[in-house]
Amino acid sequence: KNEVEQSPQNLTAQEGEFITINCSYSVGISALHWLQQHPGGGIVSLFMLSSGKKKHGRLIATINIQEKHSSLHITASHPRDSAVYICAVRSSGNQFYFGTGTSLTVIP
Amino acid sequence: GAGVSQSPRYKVAKRGQDVALRCDPISGHVSLFWYQQALGQGPEFLTYFQNEAQLDKSGLPSDRFFAERPEGSVSTLKIQRTQQEDSAVYLCASSLGRSVGTTGELFFGEGSRLTVL
Repeated sequence: KNEVEQSPQNLTAQEGEFITINCSYSVGISALHWLQQHPGGGIVSLFMLSSGKKKHGRLIATINIQEKHSSLHITASHPRDSAVYICAVRSSGNQFYFGTGTSLTVIP
Repeated sequence: GAGVSQSPRYKVAKRGQDVALRCDPISGHVSLFWYQQALGQGPEFLTYFQNEAQLDKSGLPSDRFFAERPEGSVSTLKIQRTQQEDSAVYLCASSLGRSVGTTGELFFGEGSRLTVL
């Protein structure tokens, strides 16, 4: 049983394309995190959301608490955006559950 | 320090050896988490500390795994009698969150990659 499901698992895009990664979860949460992991690198927190929408540069994250769904959007994608994007939720019991990640490759 | 620091970054162990992995969280961060990440998978929860108290160790895969945070700052994850299936990246994360339900941004270390031969 996966508490967090992400889609797609793999995504290839042309530079400049608009990208959407989806996350659905099944537990009650206090917050949802979008994380970025580069090959061989550490994990960086992009967003922490509990409601609504957040924007940082070309990245936008939205969450719908009623539908238990979040999306991460990347506008004007660039090859340096190539990474694994992971959705993680912090449950009401303070435990974190992670999705298996979406591997994004942006081709010049 | 400026971020979460983990050591060693890489560890190769012979099957049956004991290993110790260290996590130095961001100063003042109350919550500390350990995760295991197998190749191509998302992180899997191992254990959680709030200050020095280990509040949840339900993710530890066997009694060969042991974690401690005696003074509420640095934490050590110890794996006894390592097996090949223990090979993974072990990630540590910390958060300022002071109580259950407090939302707090999560900061990860670079991870310790363990290879058991």
